[in-house]
Amino acid sequence: AQSVAQPEDQVNVAEGNPLTVKCTYSVSGNPYLFWYVQYPNRGLQFLLKYITGDNLVKGSYGFEAEFNKSQTSFHLKKPSALVSDSALYFCAVRHTSNTGKLIFGQGTTLQVKP
Amino acid sequence: EAGVTQSPTHLIKTRGQQATLRCSPISGHTSVYWYQQALGLGLQFLLWYDEGEERNRGNFPPRFSGRQFPNYSSELNVNALELEDSALYLCASNPFQEQFFGPGTRLTVL
Repeated sequence: AQSVAQPEDQVNVAEGNPLTVKCTYSVSGNPYLFWYVQYPNRGLQFLLKYITGDNLVKGSYGFEAEFNKSQTSFHLKKPSALVSDSALYFCAVRHTSNTGKLIFGQGTTLQVKP
Repeated sequence: EAGVTQSPTHLIKTRGQQATLRCSPISGHTSVYWYQQALGLGLQFLLWYDEGEERNRGNFPPRFSGRQFPNYSSELNVNALELEDSALYLCASNPFQEQFFGPGTRLTVL
């Protein structure tokens, strides 16, 4: 069965410090991987994706993520956190066989303190 | 370019009633996806429509149904509402691998 795990319910970081939000996945074959962000009472905003190619992918708002096939991980990173980055972050996976659906992790709340 | 739109923003129903939620995809997108975000259950895939046909369905009872219209907009219908149907219902559309989400409809069942 396909699954996504985000091991941390909450990540706290000081403004200006680097941040990492962790994600591991379990899916057969080669997955498509995504990160989304959700602000309170809002829908999900697409941040970045890994489909193939370079393991380090860059996305919106200065975020990047590193795909590690051997560790089946896709951690979200940012070199310098902003208070405005505080939100709920979701990792998602889609199998390359087109079932259409995204499978989401349970979400990680990022709290950036001034 | 307008994003995915959903209506209504909020919907309050009582147990046993029916709810209808609407979604318009981004112009040019033919696929519509529905997800449920319930407290404590995370984001779960409900339905996928493409070119007017239901392509895939998540693990939800048959009282969750929908359709896609010729203009690619979509309706999600939830019959015989139960308290646990209270959730944020998100609609998405996509041209490629990533899906773009609307703001959601908050359904509250009393």
